[in-house]
Amino acid sequence: EPEVTQTPSHQVTQMGQEVILRCVPISNHLYFYWYRQILGQKVEFLVSFYNNEISEKSEIFDDQFSVERPDGSNFTLKIRSTKLEDSAMYFCASNRASSYNEQFFGPGTRLTVL
Amino acid sequence: LAKTTQPISMDSYEGQEVNITCSHNNIATNDYITWYQQFPSQGPRFIIQGYKTKVTNEVASLFIPADRKSSTLSLPRVSLSDTAVYYCLVGDGDSGYALNFGKGTSLLVTP
Repeated sequence: EPEVTQTPSHQVTQMGQEVILRCVPISNHLYFYWYRQILGQKVEFLVSFYNNEISEKSEIFDDQFSVERPDGSNFTLKIRSTKLEDSAMYFCASNRASSYNEQFFGPGTRLTVL
Repeated sequence: LAKTTQPISMDSYEGQEVNITCSHNNIATNDYITWYQQFPSQGPRFIIQGYKTKVTNEVASLFIPADRKSSTLSLPRVSLSDTAVYYCLVGDGDSGYALNFGKGTSLLVTP
């Protein structure tokens, strides 16, 4: 069964450093998402991406964040200058057209900002 | 976005049927009801989705009354591995929309 994959599984970085989180969505999916979950809190939407552009973003997704689909398979989330409060699990998700609200989530990247 | 309310936590013994009810009084005509499951340190996993009446799959059943202001996720004969957080989400049926997760219901299954 196809799965969404994410790398790395755990990233430790210093405050102010740039990080890139990588995702490989399921191959025939057209919609891509990033969510985050701070420890002990709810899953929060960051951004959705379709047809090579951002289709929706939340208040959290400020100028420090960017997304890219550099090739036909990868989907990346970049945080330009990390802050302590960016420490969280970051989940990538994808779904195909007409799949309503059935999104397939990856295993997550745990980001720790020191 | 329709607001959802569900119990913060529930306990069950192995082998019992568990019903988790979610209320969504201001659900819109285009909204679907979707349930996700999340284990610790893992991404959420889609369980089931419905618009009205009853939907059943190999994992669960979803009961939606005619007024659609609530829904009940039914897990038959739970096992220890069903211990997880269960989220009720209500949203537009089109692909590409953000999922709006609440705090969910933390289900603990014990022997």
